Amino acid sequence: DGGITQSPKYLFRKEGQNVTLSCEQNLNHDAMYWYRQDPGQGLRLIYYSQIVNDFQKGDIAEGYSVSREKKESFPLTVTSAQKNPTAFYLCASSSTKTGMLNTEAFFGQGTRLTVV
Amino acid sequence: GQQVMQIPQYQHVQEGEDFTTYCNSSTTLSNIQWYKQRPGGHPVFLIQLVKSGEVKKQKRLTFQFGEAKKNSSLHITATQTTDVGTYFCAGFSGAGSYQLTFGKGTKLSVIP
Repeated sequence: DGGITQSPKYLFRKEGQNVTLSCEQNLNHDAMYWYRQDPGQGLRLIYYSQIVNDFQKGDIAEGYSVSREKKESFPLTVTSAQKNPTAFYLCASSSTKTGMLNTEAFFGQGTRLTVV
Repeated sequence: GQQVMQIPQYQHVQEGEDFTTYCNSSTTLSNIQWYKQRPGGHPVFLIQLVKSGEVKKQKRLTFQFGEAKKNSSLHITATQTTDVGTYFCAGFSGAGSYQLTFGKGTKLSVIP
């Protein structure tokens, strides 16, 4: 069954701790994305990656880090430097080919992170 | 950086009324995509517009891409309760760009 999987669905952490959110896709997509969603704020881009071992900062990258060691995986670490980490985090992937337009983004089910 | 603005933020309509959401970009877009997120769910792709002035229809939904490729709209005719959710537009700033920027979305409520 092809798709994009985020785990866990709900995550609780104590303030000051780093936490890593998992995102795996078996769609053979090159591009992967992390978004943060807060009520009334829409989807804000944290990081994105076009290919393995390469990633770019989005609009709100401060306090977050990512890696892209494998095409299938794009984990997001929420560090203790992130001032307000409680949010709904969405991972997405899309397929692109050189010279062609970007295609639709497929989203995971999301991880709701609560920091107490 | 690229900004995508969407209005209105909220819209309450009586079932059977029409609904429109508008999207404006600060830069020219290579293409624009629309997504729907049901309450408690994740965004799901609806459509992609590529050409200047393009109009596409999906049943009661009509999507338009502006001539300058900087604005777009989604119009729903005769809303139903199944249309409830948040509608987002999203764009890539240029051909070959991978940065997909979303608007803040329009949350649609339909009163039966």
